[in-house]
Amino acid sequence: DTAVSQTPKYLVTQMGNDKSIKCEQNLGHDTMYWYKQDSKKFLKIMFSYNNKELIINETVPNRFSPKSPDKAHLNLHINSLELGDSAVYFCASSQIYGESTIYFGEGSWLTVV
Amino acid sequence: GESVGLHLPTLSVQEGDNSIINCAYSNSASDYFIWYKQESGKGPQFIIDIRSNMDKRQGQRVTVLLNKTVKHLSLQIAATQPGDSAVYFCAENSGAGGYNKLIFGAGTRLAVHP
Repeated sequence: DTAVSQTPKYLVTQMGNDKSIKCEQNLGHDTMYWYKQDSKKFLKIMFSYNNKELIINETVPNRFSPKSPDKAHLNLHINSLELGDSAVYFCASSQIYGESTIYFGEGSWLTVV
Repeated sequence: GESVGLHLPTLSVQEGDNSIINCAYSNSASDYFIWYKQESGKGPQFIIDIRSNMDKRQGQRVTVLLNKTVKHLSLQIAATQPGDSAVYFCAENSGAGGYNKLIFGAGTRLAVHP
């Protein structure tokens, strides 16, 4: 049973396209996140949602639009893809407040050509 | 500003030896720290955490040490095994209002040789 699952795992697309990555967690957590990992393995938070409400938006370009239909799902939609968007995107979840373990999905490898 | 960094980008050890991975953080207000392990092609996996009111915490074959005076965190792995080969990240939880916001360090690659 996968705790945090995201699809697709691999995505290759052309510049200018619009794409979505879906994420679901079955841990009963209230909070979900999107992290971006660049080619140098640096992990940086993008968004955090608590019970469908946006908590953290780390000055991500508005081409990135997260959507949370319910607290178990947090999807990431990206408009007008650019070369610099190529990265691994990780979905994660945790209980609502601090000092609780954040569980990560397996990642979605996005390549923009 | 906030930053969490690692001293060694790559660490090579012999199987059976002990490994020590170091991390420095700059936000003295951080009160919760976590170590994650990331294997190739996978997501970060929680290893161990420590709160700022502690200076040492032990798990199975792993120990985390926290020195708040010099803002330093370390992960010790006893009897390192080939399966320990991965990239290790330290992270500090700097969320405001109690919400989680992990700030990750740059990562250290651990290579275990037979």
